[in-house]
Amino acid sequence: DAGITQSPRHKVTETGTPVTLRCHQTENHRYMYWYRQDPGHGLRLIHYSYGVKDTDKGEVSDGYSVSRSKTEDFLLTLESATSSQTSVYFCAISDPLARHSGANVLTFGAGSRLTVL
Amino acid sequence: KQEVTQIPAALSVPEGENLVLNCSFTDSAIYNLQWFRQDPGKGLTSLLLIQSSQREQTSGRLNASLDKSSGRSTLYIAASQPGDSATYLCAVRRGEYGNKLVFGAGTILRVKS
Repeated sequence: DAGITQSPRHKVTETGTPVTLRCHQTENHRYMYWYRQDPGHGLRLIHYSYGVKDTDKGEVSDGYSVSRSKTEDFLLTLESATSSQTSVYFCAISDPLARHSGANVLTFGAGSRLTVL
Repeated sequence: KQEVTQIPAALSVPEGENLVLNCSFTDSAIYNLQWFRQDPGKGLTSLLLIQSSQREQTSGRLNASLDKSSGRSTLYIAASQPGDSATYLCAVRRGEYGNKLVFGAGTILRVKS
């Protein structure tokens, strides 16, 4: 998956527990994103980052926080998971100067399936 | 607010057929449009990216066109194969920076052998 690793790939948790998903890239791309994919909604942007410690909200950011302390890592945290956050979460990267994948081409990780009981 | 619609939602065709997938968007002020493929249980794989100044892009049996003024893009797949079976998504991007893509819900394609 083009140097993007998501962990864990699968997680089952209970309502009210904290959950952190990790995205790790080896491409040195500037931009990193977290999306969720749900039937009938397609992919929706949760948060994105345009550099170390620089993040911004997407269209469905409520209940989620992110952190990017290093170029290669982008963490998504659910402080208190709810059943509505059961979804498949995708990390993606891009860079306007990327050569291998193409400038500004969005490259995705394999996804993390989260089930909140 | 940008909305992206893909028609049809699902398509089943016999092997060897040429086919067209459609993507429409409500705001023509886009920076680029990208087509992706998603296999079941997998992430998305980029197929083609068309800049707003371009009319089409080609890669092998795939050809994507863009008509920004009418808010439409098509993905043409020539001589379809069972291995083409997947979900195809289009996404439009508003600006050069920030890369806030808006995705369509996708077209599920099944190519029968």
